[in-house]
Amino acid sequence: EVRLVETGGGLSQPGGSLRLSCAVSGLTVGTTYMSWVRQTPLKGLEWVSFISDGGDIYYADSVTGRFTISRDTFRNMLFLQMNSLRDDDTAIYYCARGHWWPDYWGQGTLVTVSS
Amino acid sequence: DIRMTQSPSSVSASVGDRVTITCRASQGVGNWLAWYQQKPGKAPRLLIYAASSLLTGVPSRFSGSGSGTDFTLTISSLQPEDFATYYCQQANSLPRTFGRGTKVEVK
Repeated sequence: EVRLVETGGGLSQPGGSLRLSCAVSGLTVGTTYMSWVRQTPLKGLEWVSFISDGGDIYYADSVTGRFTISRDTFRNMLFLQMNSLRDDDTAIYYCARGHWWPDYWGQGTLVTVSS
Repeated sequence: DIRMTQSPSSVSASVGDRVTITCRASQGVGNWLAWYQQKPGKAPRLLIYAASSLLTGVPSRFSGSGSGTDFTLTISSLQPEDFATYYCQQANSLPRTFGRGTKVEVK
């Protein structure tokens, strides 16, 4: 059974940092594309970043220079380091398998950026 | 960025009804389109990819069609578990973009 479990969400002040983790079982993060997608009531679903099996990385313009995606193939985990957080980064963040049409998703972790 | 426009934004329907949701892309995306179902408090669930391919395990009452800029998701006979919000998403180019969703509500 494939399972993705995100942790690390919470409250941050503007300008702060958070690191999201996604523990993966049932598939190998190093052999597939993995993505982060976020969702807000205002902007809907937004693709944040993905990393390919070969290590190629994509970031949405809105997070380029502030967010960093990475993975640990030994622990089979995906990460999203989020720096210089802004109010509009407030969202539920999902990790997911794939970069065309993700077929496995985690349950999401809520990130709130507020002073 | 490719803008994905869904219509209607909501639809009221009864169990057994045929429901059709439309998605229009601001530029051609070939057949690089997916449909998701999302229920409150849950992650999106992939239903259809490549415009018309049904993911394994998804009931056959769901179907997708279209190519280029105009796409359709059809639920042939609505079931109680189908009341949810449905999203289209293009995978033709970066950034990947989603529609704003169509909520299927109880009539």
